[in-house]
Amino acid sequence: DTGVSQNPRHKITKRGQNVTFRCDPISEHNRLYWYRQTLGQGPEFLTYFQNEAQLEKSRLLSDRFSAERPKGSFSTLEIQRTEQGDSAMYLCASSRTWASGAPTDTQYFGPGTRLTVL
Amino acid sequence: GIQVEQSPPDLILQEGANSTLRCNFSDSVNNLQWFHQNPWGQLINLFYIPSGTKQNGRLSATTVATERYSLLYISSSQTTDSGVYFCAVVEETSGSRLTFGEGTQLTVNP
Repeated sequence: DTGVSQNPRHKITKRGQNVTFRCDPISEHNRLYWYRQTLGQGPEFLTYFQNEAQLEKSRLLSDRFSAERPKGSFSTLEIQRTEQGDSAMYLCASSRTWASGAPTDTQYFGPGTRLTVL
Repeated sequence: GIQVEQSPPDLILQEGANSTLRCNFSDSVNNLQWFHQNPWGQLINLFYIPSGTKQNGRLSATTVATERYSLLYISSSQTTDSGVYFCAVVEETSGSRLTFGEGTQLTVNP
């Protein structure tokens, strides 16, 4: 299967600890997105990359959150000094653009990383 | 930013029944996707449909972009159709980010 993959699938941590999640997009996709979903809500956009450039960040992405995509392939999302309010499902998606730079169509989502902060 | 409203919030059906889910959005979009979220949290792509009509088996979708709504039709529902259905849009002026509605929780009883 060559879909979007995310690791770990589940993470339990204590408040104040740092955590890092990884996302591997579909191989030919140059755009990568991070979303967060809390119980009973739809996913909310956090940030996205085109190749290695971070093009947009949501106001939801506080200074405790940092995302990287150093070689334009996989991406990591780090949360420093976790808080109980960070407990959520973190979803990664990928898509590709045409040579002109225009986005194509579908964003494909990975299975998510479920974070629980105790 | 753009607002996305889905209705109904909850829907309970008997197996074999048909249903229509609605998504209204408040501004012009250049992407609209329907997803089914399974019990494990995986978002499964159903349709990419910024305009027009598409069909895939028992599911079909129609988007009327000029009137800012989309409909998802499920015919002859099965218990495996249960889950949350999300509509998500990319606002024309917002780049690439998807804005999701709050979803419709569908329960299909045997």
